[in-house]
Amino acid sequence: KQEVTQIPAALSVPEGENLVLNCSFTDSAIYNLQWFRQDPGKGLTSLLLIQSSQREQTSGRLNASLDKSSGRSTLYIAASQPGDSATYLCAVRRRETSGSRLTFGEGTQLTVNP
Amino acid sequence: DAMVIQNPRYQVTQFGKPVTLSCSQTLNHNVMYWYQQKSSQAPKLLFHYYDKDFNNEADTPDNFQSRRPNTSFCFLDIRSPGLGDAAMYLCATSRGTGRLAGDGQYFGPGTRLTVT
Repeated sequence: KQEVTQIPAALSVPEGENLVLNCSFTDSAIYNLQWFRQDPGKGLTSLLLIQSSQREQTSGRLNASLDKSSGRSTLYIAASQPGDSATYLCAVRRRETSGSRLTFGEGTQLTVNP
Repeated sequence: DAMVIQNPRYQVTQFGKPVTLSCSQTLNHNVMYWYQQKSSQAPKLLFHYYDKDFNNEADTPDNFQSRRPNTSFCFLDIRSPGLGDAAMYLCATSRGTGRLAGDGQYFGPGTRLTVT
C-alpha cells in the first residue's frame, strides 16, 4: 500500500526566504508525482507534475525534483512571498492494471510573514 | 477557459436528508473522480468513472453513490448524510488512466458540505 508523508506539517518563514518542502513515498512504482496548492476552503490547484522518467520540473519560482528510487520529492520555493501562504500537497499516481488513483500526503501548511 | 466546475460551492443539509453535489467539466476528459477531504486531512478518493465504467473504492460507504449521465457531468449523491459526512467534496478529471493520465488530474473548487 502506497503511503505518502510530507514534512514538515507546518512551516512559518519571513518573506524573501528560499524554502524546501519534502515529500516521501513508500512504493517507487509510480507514473508521476503532482504538487498542488490549496488555499483555505478552496479546491486544489496543480503546480507541477513530474513524470516518473523526469528528475525535475520548474515553473517560475517553483522547482520540484523527483528521486523515484529513494521515494522522495522536494518542492523548492524561491524568494517566498506572503501570497505563497497556503497548504502544499504532494500526490503520487500508482502504477495499476486498472483504475487510476492519486495517493496524497497530508500537506505542509506554509505561512510567509511580511 | 476549459475547467472543472462544482455547484454549489456551499451546501447545508439536515441529518438524514438526501443531498446531491454536482460537477461538470469542459475538458472532455474521460475520467472523473470524487474525493472527500476533512479538515486538515488529505483528500480521500471515494470513486471514479472511466467513461461510463464506475469504480468504487473498497472503503467508500454505501451511503455514497454517483451518477455520470454524460461525459461532462458527474453527480455525488449522499443518501442519508450523517454528521461525519461534513467535509469538502472535490471533483477532479483526467484524460485517462495509467499512461494516458500523464498530464495529471485537474480539480474543481470543491463543495463544502455542512450537516446540521
